[in-house]
Amino acid sequence: NAGVTQTPKFRILKIGQSMTLQCTQDMNHNYMYWYRQDPGMGLKLIYYSVGAGITDKGEVPNGYNVSRSTTEDFPLRLELAAPSQTSVYFCASSYSAGEYYEQYFGPGTRLTVT
Amino acid sequence: KNEVEQSPQNLTAQEGEFITINCSYSVGISALHWLQQHPGGGIVSLFMLSSGKKKHGRLIATINIQEKHSSLHITASHPRDSAVYICAAYMNYGGSQGNLIFGKGTKLSVKP
Repeated sequence: NAGVTQTPKFRILKIGQSMTLQCTQDMNHNYMYWYRQDPGMGLKLIYYSVGAGITDKGEVPNGYNVSRSTTEDFPLRLELAAPSQTSVYFCASSYSAGEYYEQYFGPGTRLTVT
Repeated sequence: KNEVEQSPQNLTAQEGEFITINCSYSVGISALHWLQQHPGGGIVSLFMLSSGKKKHGRLIATINIQEKHSSLHITASHPRDSAVYICAAYMNYGGSQGNLIFGKGTKLSVKP
């Protein structure tokens, strides 16, 4: 199993550009999550999904969009990139949610917006 | 104020030392997740626990739900343990499945 994979690993965007961060998991997990990690801060939830076709906002959703057309894929779309979106983005997945279901993380995407 | 607080923020130890990292939280939780973030950035799960103690190799995690406190211990520390250790709590409130709240992490450096 590859686990959770993310592409790209690094990206530099100019202000106003758009891009899609890809996330794929091969563990047949129902739940998928997008987090951002800013220096000196804890991870913050952007969006999550409890299954194909179902998504919901997390703590910091502004400026992002997601879709979940398949169990495996959960892409994160940045529209009109802003410097405040410079961060490291992690995708994670779990079979379910709560105390018996640990989350598995992808390797992260380091995004810089200039 | 973050609902999940970790201490210390930074920790430097000599190889072989016993290490303790603390995590406290301000609201009711159903479980706590300890994670390790490698210097290269990858995050792996260490423990998920809701009561008592769990042990895996040289790592021990304990939790006291009533006192709203958890600790991660590393025995016989080694330079390869150098990483950022993160605690994250599943909060009791709401029905949202996205309710994992993260601490800011403790950066551990173990010197040979």
